[in-house]
Amino acid sequence: AQSVTQLGSHVSVSEGALVLLRCNYSSSVPPYLFWYVQYPNQGLQLLLKYTSAATLVKGINGFEAEFKKSETSFHLTKPSAHMSDAAEYFCAVSGGGANNLFFGTGTRLTVIP
Amino acid sequence: KAGVTQTPRYLIKTRGQQVTLSCSPISGHRSVSWYQQTPGQGLQFLFEYFSETQRNKGNFPGRFSGRQFSNSRSEMNVSTLELGDSALYLCASSSLESSYNEQFFGPGTRLTVL
Repeated sequence: AQSVTQLGSHVSVSEGALVLLRCNYSSSVPPYLFWYVQYPNQGLQLLLKYTSAATLVKGINGFEAEFKKSETSFHLTKPSAHMSDAAEYFCAVSGGGANNLFFGTGTRLTVIP
Repeated sequence: KAGVTQTPRYLIKTRGQQVTLSCSPISGHRSVSWYQQTPGQGLQFLFEYFSETQRNKGNFPGRFSGRQFSNSRSEMNVSTLELGDSALYLCASSSLESSYNEQFFGPGTRLTVL
């Protein structure tokens, strides 16, 4: 069985501050992990994905995430928050040959000017 | 390439009715998945179609069904609508069979059941 847990349904940061969104996963098979972003009234856009090639994954818009097997974590970070980063972020896991994603409950990021 | 398109974008129905939602994947993508997004339950997987066959199914009642056509376009149908079916329904397509291929999402269809 696979699942992800996102700690913190709401995170607020000041513009220019570090963004850290937490995701822990559970998987009985080697996982593939994803971070998606959703802006209001839109679908999901892929930020980055981990497919076992490298533990530090760089994505779009300056985001990156590090896969830590020992901690079963895949936290999303960005060194300096921008107002345009305000959105909802979802961590997701798949694996075991299935093409469906299991999503976390999401973290709403607010950026304070 | 054009992205994933979903029609209609908004839909209002009443309890007991049925509804059909449509999804056109990115050209060349053969896998189409459907998800339901609600404030209470979050994002939940409904089913996945690949080459006109349902390959995977989530934990939803039989009122939720889908199909895929030879051009990879997909439809999902919900019969006997309930208030709890109000949600954003998202369609996603991917190009290959393997699970690590990223899924590209459409903008969704927002269904309101009155």
